[in-house]
Amino acid sequence: DTAVSQTPKYLVTQMGNDKSIKCEQNLGHDTMYWYKQDSKKFLKIMFSYNNKELIINETVPNRFSPKSPDKAHLNLHINSLELGDSAVYFCASSQVTGLYTGELFFGEGSRLTVL
Amino acid sequence: SQQGEEDPQALSIQEGENATMNCSYKTSINNLQWYRQNSGRGLVHLILIRSNEREKHSGRLRVTLDTSKKSSSLLITASRAADTASYFCATGDYNQGGKLIFGQGTELSVKP
Repeated sequence: DTAVSQTPKYLVTQMGNDKSIKCEQNLGHDTMYWYKQDSKKFLKIMFSYNNKELIINETVPNRFSPKSPDKAHLNLHINSLELGDSAVYFCASSQVTGLYTGELFFGEGSRLTVL
Repeated sequence: SQQGEEDPQALSIQEGENATMNCSYKTSINNLQWYRQNSGRGLVHLILIRSNEREKHSGRLRVTLDTSKKSSSLLITASRAADTASYFCATGDYNQGGKLIFGQGTELSVKP
């Protein structure tokens, strides 16, 4: 059983297109995240949702719109893709108690290439 | 947001040797975590150490935390080729809304 699964694993698209990445977790966690990993492996948090509510929204262009239909799902939609959006996007989940974050469980990543 | 810095950025050792990676951070933390990432895969949690702990062990892993110096180290003893991966530290901070801030990682290569 895959704890955190995200699709697609690879995404190649043209500049200007719109694309979505889906994420699901079956761990019963309340909190889900999107992280972006660049070509130098630097991992930066983008968004965090707790029970479908947005709680962290880093300085991310508004072309990126997360959506959480329920606490087990967190999708990422990206409009008007740019070359700089090329990266690996990771979904993760955790059980957060107050402001204390336990271990994160990551998906396998979605590699986005914008041509 | 502030990230940890890891040292060294890359480390190459022979099987059987010990590998030590260091992490420094800037803010106050409630815990510090270490993760491993194999090439092309997601990150996997290795160990969590709370701010009131100084040392923690898990199998061949030993983590230390010095909050006065805002630093941590990860020691992998008797390394194996399968330990080849990138290793990241991540800090959890109450003041950052509970989010984890990741360092830039140490790329470890263990040669058979």
